[in-house]
Amino acid sequence: QQPVQSPQAVILREGEDAVINCSSSKALYSVHWYRQKHGEAPIFLMILLKGGEQKGHDKISASFNEKKQQSSLYLTASQLSYSGTYFCGTGYGKAAGNKLTFGGGTRVLVKP
Amino acid sequence: GAGVSQSPSNKVTEKGKDVELRCDPISGHTALYWYRQSLGQGLEFLIYFQGNSAPDKSGLPSDRFSAERTGGSVSTLTIQRTQQEDSAVYLCATGIYQETQYFGPGTRLLVL
Repeated sequence: QQPVQSPQAVILREGEDAVINCSSSKALYSVHWYRQKHGEAPIFLMILLKGGEQKGHDKISASFNEKKQQSSLYLTASQLSYSGTYFCGTGYGKAAGNKLTFGGGTRVLVKP
Repeated sequence: GAGVSQSPSNKVTEKGKDVELRCDPISGHTALYWYRQSLGQGLEFLIYFQGNSAPDKSGLPSDRFSAERTGGSVSTLTIQRTQQEDSAVYLCATGIYQETQYFGPGTRLLVL
């Protein structure tokens, strides 16, 4: 079952912060975050494995709440280059075949 | 090559014709995935190859779709008797078991 991402879209001014959530109805093994710009392939941002760890990449970080079956992506002090559609891909472990199920995406537009 | 490559980059075909889409993975990547992305939509899983294991075909939408991976490297996705609803971007991603998936640029398929 597809994870649910929220919000569906967000508009920011450069320098503002945003949070994107990814919720699953099943227990998560891993969450993968990608960003896709129009007409381009998705680009990997980070992977989180169950255990509640948090990761960061520049001013983009993410958390994984195993209990809530949810991951959140934090865009801090957003830059124009952060614009794009963000997808979370959820993994359910070896029993589920190790494939990812992607959410519907969150469109982010950062304006000057 | 340095990344995942796919060919052709664009394909226009007539309804009812067969098409073959190719994916060349990153050297050493044992996992290979095919996804479909319709206009403005998220990523729909199609099929997953992992090493010499039997592929996970659970995402293939109909028996008109098939894929093979020769020698654990190059993969071909075949769509027989194409329909207009098959029009989409077909993305290939490769990775190492349970790790990051790296996406190719995709093949844009248009069925007239």
